[in-house]
Amino acid sequence: ETGVTQTPRHLVMGMTNKKSLKCEQHLGHNAMYWYKQSAKKPLELMFVYNFKEQTENNSVPSRFSPECPNSSHLFLHLHTLQPEDSALYLCASSQRYYGTNEKLFFGSGTQLSVL
Amino acid sequence: EDKVVQSPLSLVVHEGDTVTLNCSYEVTNFRSLLWYKQEKKAPTFLFMLTSSGIEKKSGRLSSILDKKELFSILNITATQTGDSAVYLCAVWWYGNKLVFGAGTILRVKS
Repeated sequence: ETGVTQTPRHLVMGMTNKKSLKCEQHLGHNAMYWYKQSAKKPLELMFVYNFKEQTENNSVPSRFSPECPNSSHLFLHLHTLQPEDSALYLCASSQRYYGTNEKLFFGSGTQLSVL
Repeated sequence: EDKVVQSPLSLVVHEGDTVTLNCSYEVTNFRSLLWYKQEKKAPTFLFMLTSSGIEKKSGRLSSILDKKELFSILNITATQTGDSAVYLCAVWWYGNKLVFGAGTILRVKS
């Protein structure tokens, strides 16, 4: 148990659906991240929130919309996705986000399949 | 472009073997290097290395960093089937980016 919980664990959606991924951390951290992990590719950073403020948007298409209502919760809202968006979506948290040797703690991910 | 390269991409060993996983990086203004173990889905933290030549050790796992040659190794001695996982290397640099390698898939056969 890493202290970072993601739901759902698996999600299958059509290209016209709207769904949301949820992440909650119980570590008292102030920074939260969304990563995308595709087969045989490095983890790709999507978004970073630091003290509820978005500090990084790594050129992610607008069909992915993040939301961070407080430092413990992070959402990723999905709409009109493409089949190439099928991947494992990982949430992570760290004490803060200033690049000074932070350790990230990851959730178990949501395995997303877009049909 | 900043990048982290791990090798080998995958390997299969027998229980009791010793393995060495490699991570080389080309990153502007290096700050630290992290190793993670990913079983099933959630990557779990193993080590953070910031100084050259100082070995970090935890049980059968150890890691060392060479900042001059820009690489790190992760050693696992007396491997067990529970060591089977994807091992990820990541590097922080001053631009507030954590860059990941593609990982090494380790399978330990009984």
